[in-house]
This record gives sequence, C-alpha cells and structure tokens, in this order.
Amino acid sequence: EDQVTQSPEALRLQEGESSSLNCSYTVSGLRGLFWYRQDPGKGPEFLFTLYSAGEEKEKERLKATLTKKESFLHITAPKPEDSATYLCAVQEIGGSQGNLIFGKGTKLSVKP
Amino acid sequence: SQTIHQWPATLVQPVGSPLSLECTVEGTSNPNLYWYRQAAGRGLQLLFYSVGIGQISSEVPQNLSASRPQDRQFILSSKKLLLSDSGFYLCAWSVTGRSYEQYFGPGTRLTVT
Repeated sequence: EDQVTQSPEALRLQEGESSSLNCSYTVSGLRGLFWYRQDPGKGPEFLFTLYSAGEEKEKERLKATLTKKESFLHITAPKPEDSATYLCAVQEIGGSQGNLIFGKGTKLSVKP
Repeated sequence: SQTIHQWPATLVQPVGSPLSLECTVEGTSNPNLYWYRQAAGRGLQLLFYSVGIGQISSEVPQNLSASRPQDRQFILSSKKLLLSDSGFYLCAWSVTGRSYEQYFGPGTRLTVT
C-alpha cells in the first residue's frame, strides 16, 4: 500500500478555472509534508513545507493546506505557465534521516 | 545563494558498461546529500544519502553505489549497468541537521541499451 497517494493523476483546466489537488498520507507520525513542482525533463522545484494540521502556505496562485490525513494544493485562476507535475512528499517521524516518501504526482495542464 | 549541478545531463550506455554520475553543490557547507531515481509511472525513490564525507547510507539494495569524496561532491556509480537502471537520476541537498526541505538538481537522464 502506498503511503502517499495523489489524486487525480492528471487534471486539465481552462485558464482561470480554479481547482484543487489532493495528497493523502498514511504515515504514523508526520514530521513534514512537502509540495514540489516539476517541469518535464527537470528536477523538482520546492514550493512549500507544512508541519502541522491547520497550517496554510501561499505563493502567488498556489495555496497549500494540511489536515491530519491529507493536504490540498489549491490553484486559483491558473495560467498556462502553471502547467507542470505537482509532487507531494512526506517525512515520517522515526524514518530514515532525510527520507522523503513521494507520491506519483498530479500532472496539471492549463489551456488558454 | 546555493546552486546544485549534475552532469552529464543525458547519457546513453550499453548494458554491462560502467557508470559515473556527478553532483556538486555550491554556496553551502556540509550539506546532507541525496541520490534519487525517478522511473516512469513511479514516484521518486531514494537510493543513497550522505551526512558527511565518506558517510553513505543505502536505502535499497541495487546495482549502484555512491561515494562522497569531498564535502560538496556526491557521485553515483555502477560497475556494470543493467537495463533496469534506466531512469531519471536526481541529486538533492538539504541543510545539515535539518533533513526537511530538500532542493533538487536538474537531473541526469540515463538510458541503458
């Protein structure tokens, strides 16, 4: 069973059409939850870290929220340049040092 | 500011040939360093991490090895490549003592033929 599950696998939006990406996790103790953006053929780019339920972080059109079981990445009025794969990762308390457990990602396409 | 470099960017190697991928970090001292592999349809998989020169921990048994000969240099190697070693290899770093945010390099696309 995957410890980090992202949904949907792919999402197509029209420019300006707001939506949310989901990341659910099943680790026993959460040290931190991380969101990354990955463009094709490139390394992931760090976006946010969330540490505790109720925490929220914002950056431009992106807003990340965290509950005890999942995180959402809200995209408000997206633009074509927001098209990318968004990766979620968790770090488990007591896990191997530095071991981030990644989900498989959500591929977002924003059409003009 | 910190930057991370990986080379080569792309590599095509025959089965059974050796491998050496290099990663260097600038602008920070004594970072934690990581090697990941990203295969199609799968999440990033941690292969090795290092908290200091000569200190390497392996997360999964495999055909690969890692070394850290200098503080900001991390090398991924293989003596004989397998077809299953194909993938996108990513190096990452984080601040010592805080294995929280990790920052990734541009990656190396390895194709084993």
